[in-house]
Amino acid sequence: KAGVTQTPRYLIKTRGQQVTLSCSPISGHRSVSWYQQTPGQGLQFLFEYFSETQRNKGNFPGRFSGRQFSNSRSEMNVSTLELGDSALYLCASSSYRVDETQYFGPGTRLLVL
Amino acid sequence: DAKTTQPPSMDCAEGRAANLPCNHSTISGNEYVYWYRQIHSQGPQYIIHGLKNNETNEMASLIITEDRKSSTLILPHATLRDTAVYYCIVTPPRTSYGKLTFGQGTILTVHP
Repeated sequence: KAGVTQTPRYLIKTRGQQVTLSCSPISGHRSVSWYQQTPGQGLQFLFEYFSETQRNKGNFPGRFSGRQFSNSRSEMNVSTLELGDSALYLCASSSYRVDETQYFGPGTRLLVL
Repeated sequence: DAKTTQPPSMDCAEGRAANLPCNHSTISGNEYVYWYRQIHSQGPQYIIHGLKNNETNEMASLIITEDRKSSTLILPHATLRDTAVYYCIVTPPRTSYGKLTFGQGTILTVHP
């Protein structure tokens, strides 16, 4: 089985712009979670989607949003980028039919200038 | 979710077993212990998980104490490629809704 894929892998944006990141889960997985990783804060949970519904949300401002499509692919969007949004953004997928083990993608490295 | 405590760093000689401890003294009866590792700038890699019994797979073994307040991840024959940050996470099934709470983890350095 192919693993979790994320696109793009690297991205450079400037302050005030917005960005959309994409995540394709492992085939058959319906849950997709997003995380932000920074040197200062470590790995932090952003939100989780299951069957196109957001079921859980971390403590992030409303500039961070996401959605999930009927094929379980997910996107996250960050509007009005700030320098502090520079981070590695990770998505993970899991299958609730088996267990809840999350499998992570390689991440998208976002640099905000 | 229960909190976990891990040593910030450990060293291991190549070819020897690496034993990484984790304390989770406030774990609830239905919470699983998960281990992930992250090699520099890559996505975390799932290693193993367990509830009460010891578990073994092709990557590692997980030993959970009888009172479930601590666990040890064992890499039986560490190689240089096992150098990574190892995260011990405790999470309840069916109610975490995708949220894994990562601590600072243990930086394992495997030396030649």
